[in-house]
Amino acid sequence: QKEVEQNSGPLSVPEGAIASLNCTYSDRVSQSFFWYRQYSGKSPELIMSIYSNGDKEDGRFTAQLNKASQYVSLLIRDSQPSDSATYLCAVNTNAGKSTFGDGTTLTVKP
Amino acid sequence: KAGVTQTPRYLIKTRGQQVTLSCSPISGHRSVSWYQQTPGQGLQFLFEYFSETQRNKGNFPGRFSGRQFSNSRSEMNVSTLELGDSALYLCASSPGLVGDTQYFGPGTRLTVL
Repeated sequence: QKEVEQNSGPLSVPEGAIASLNCTYSDRVSQSFFWYRQYSGKSPELIMSIYSNGDKEDGRFTAQLNKASQYVSLLIRDSQPSDSATYLCAVNTNAGKSTFGDGTTLTVKP
Repeated sequence: KAGVTQTPRYLIKTRGQQVTLSCSPISGHRSVSWYQQTPGQGLQFLFEYFSETQRNKGNFPGRFSGRQFSNSRSEMNVSTLELGDSALYLCASSPGLVGDTQYFGPGTRLTVL
């Protein structure tokens, strides 16, 4: 089992729809959780960080964390073609080691 | 603030050679992490340096090494290059506390022929 698993893609949604990206992790002592967006040929850029159970909203993006279920998700509301990218889930342990999922490629169709 | 910079941006080497990649973190950041990204393996953690000390290490062979200088700049070295080392090497910096957000550089694209 991989340490961080993301829902297999690619994921395709129509413009204006909600895109839902999921991530599970195996290390129960994980403390910090991040979502990065990576456009083709570019480096990852941070979208959201979340540290406590519950929801965290930032504009059209909402991150959800459930430590009991070892699950973190990212919702993108009103998806735009510019949201088309690969989304990476990253999990940090207390020791600071970062583990990334393989990513989910999202395509938003106009 | 200036972002994370990496040099060179592109490299072509042949098998058996060695290569050194450089990373300059965001000013004030004390932690530098290195990652290898390939289409088949995704983003793989190589190692992290904090205040000139290796704080974490991934599962890579000893051919991969790194160091960090007193100004927080970091270098990564790969000796005896193999074809499978062809990848995008990304450097990320953070202030240094566990759980801090990482900020990625543009990467160095290494091709081994």
